[in-house]
Amino acid sequence: EAGVTQFPSHSVIEKGQTVTLRCDPISGHDNLYWYRRVMGKEIKFLLHFVKESKQDESGMPNNRFLAERTGGTYSTLKVQPAELEDSGVYFCASSQAIGSVYEQYFGPGTRLTVT
Amino acid sequence: RKEVEQDPGPFNVPEGATVAFNCTYSNSASQSFFWYRQDCRKEPKLLMSVYSSGNEDGRFTAQLNRASQYISLLIRDSKLSDSATYLCVVRGPGANNLFFGTGTRLTVIP
Repeated sequence: EAGVTQFPSHSVIEKGQTVTLRCDPISGHDNLYWYRRVMGKEIKFLLHFVKESKQDESGMPNNRFLAERTGGTYSTLKVQPAELEDSGVYFCASSQAIGSVYEQYFGPGTRLTVT
Repeated sequence: RKEVEQDPGPFNVPEGATVAFNCTYSNSASQSFFWYRQDCRKEPKLLMSVYSSGNEDGRFTAQLNRASQYISLLIRDSKLSDSATYLCVVRGPGANNLFFGTGTRLTVIP
């Protein structure tokens, strides 16, 4: 079974540019999450989709970040315009359902560098 | 205040040693507790869930103390392959998102 995949694996952009990250969850997983780790800090939650609906977006840092999951399959996270402090590793995770018994499976992450 | 606090280490131990990691969490209403393992530049992977009664999986033992809001992981007979960062993770009340500690780096030395 294919795991969670993310694209690109690395992205280097200049401040002010736009970047779009993509996440393909495990097939059949309705729940999709975005997390971020900035250097020296812990992994932090950004938002949670259930199918195509945003269940919880309390972790989104500001309105420069836009996440979508049209059709309830893959998701994109757009940063526009990017700032230096957006640099970090963006992880996507998916789970079959909610609740502690349902493991969240993480993708390999996209390493974003804003210069 | 951080949701989850961990000693970042690093812990450098010889093969065969026993090593223990601890973490504390701030929200007493937290529902679920986990240890994840993360290899260098890889994704976090679930190592084990932590139950109130304590649980064991081979060489790994996890403990939870709700009164003290304290979680531990014990690794016995350390292997070289245990070298990784161990993340203490908590699921908050009424939420499905996870709160991560900064991780504890373990290196097992031959």
